[in-house]
Amino acid sequence: AQSVTQLDSHVSVSEGTPVLLRCNYSSSYSPSLFWYVQHPNKGLQLLLKYTSAATLVKGINGFEAEFKKSETSFHLTKPSAHMSDAAEYFCVVSSLNEKLTFGTGTRLTIIP
Amino acid sequence: GAVVSQHPSWVICKSGTSVKIECRSLDFQATTMFWYRQFPKQSLMLMATSNEGSKATYEQGVEKDKFLINHASLTLSTLTVTSAHPEDSSFYICSARDLAGPSSYNEQFFGPGTRLTVL
Repeated sequence: AQSVTQLDSHVSVSEGTPVLLRCNYSSSYSPSLFWYVQHPNKGLQLLLKYTSAATLVKGINGFEAEFKKSETSFHLTKPSAHMSDAAEYFCVVSSLNEKLTFGTGTRLTIIP
Repeated sequence: GAVVSQHPSWVICKSGTSVKIECRSLDFQATTMFWYRQFPKQSLMLMATSNEGSKATYEQGVEKDKFLINHASLTLSTLTVTSAHPEDSSFYICSARDLAGPSSYNEQFFGPGTRLTVL
């Protein structure tokens, strides 16, 4: 069994300040972990993925995430928020059966 | 590369009619495609796994006779919502896994979604 918990349903940050979106996972097997972004009425875009290689993963648009097995966490960060980062973010876990399990999402609001 | 398209992007239909949504992998082959449903301001819920040349596998609680899935080729899967009702109104998103891609991380490529409104 696998599950994902996104600890914050809504995060607001000022433009230019750091972003932290939290995600904890549970998986019976070595998981693959993903962060996807969804802009309003759009499909999902992959930000980054963890696939059992380096634990610090760098993605697109300046985002990165660190896989911490001891904490079962995969938090998403960005040093400086931009207005275009405002969107819904989903943490996703996958294991042997290829099915993706989505977190409930975190809505990121950027304050000008 | 790895582009997935959906058609139509939005559709409005009358209650009782059927609607077909297409999902295509444009530049890769996919033996497996997935269909998700997303209600407003909620997460994606997997409805079914579509397998080329065989029957789809439905998640618990999803009516297979209502949501007909056909995966006729390595680049096309269709979802038909039969006898649609207002409660079927939702955002439907498909995804596909690249057959030639590494299997170690199960990445799926998502379509842009189809918004269905049933009047």
